[in-house]
Amino acid sequence: DVKVTQSSRYLVKRTGEKVFLECVQDMDHENMFWYRQDPGLGLRLIYFSYDVKMKEKGDIPEGYSVSREKKERFSLILESASTNQTSMYLCASSFRDLGQYFGPGTRLTVT
Amino acid sequence: GESVGLHLPTLSVQEGDNSIINCAYSNSASDYFIWYKQESGKGPQFIIDIRSNMDKRQGQRVTVLLNKTVKHLSLQIAATQPGDSAVYFCAENKARTGTASKLTFGTGTRLQVTL
Repeated sequence: DVKVTQSSRYLVKRTGEKVFLECVQDMDHENMFWYRQDPGLGLRLIYFSYDVKMKEKGDIPEGYSVSREKKERFSLILESASTNQTSMYLCASSFRDLGQYFGPGTRLTVT
Repeated sequence: GESVGLHLPTLSVQEGDNSIINCAYSNSASDYFIWYKQESGKGPQFIIDIRSNMDKRQGQRVTVLLNKTVKHLSLQIAATQPGDSAVYFCAENKARTGTASKLTFGTGTRLQVTL
């Protein structure tokens, strides 16, 4: 079974803090994704990566950056957290163009 | 529990009955579709996928039907069980970069199974 893990289930940060969300997958998938999920808006793609050190902007990259130094790990960075970044963050991975497998999510609250 | 969406359309089904959840997709060029299940407080779970060269695909208790003419996708769940209660949403591939499919997700339908 595919396993995608995220470093925290719940996180509370203050406005202006730098926030790191970590994601690890154990299936040697080349593609990894970061989404946020908000009520009424569904899943929105922030960034994705199709190879180590490669990254592409998704639909809402502003205020975020990513890092992929190893194939199994994809990090999402909030350079200076703001209250409008309070959300559920979901990481996913996929093999080639097949379906994406999601982690359990990190609920981030920025106060 | 945590809500994944406010004011989602809700389908209420009695335990043991069959469920049909529908999805209209937007891009006639999309060639790959996926159904996901999301339980409260959890990440989406891959259920079944279908490519556009197929009209139907069956899994364990689930069937996906694809009608490309009207850009419509449906998920059928046979003999619905209480554990099927969740939000279900479809996804279509929007574009590819390298080997990665960029998916567009629907907002979902909440399935409530009554005893």
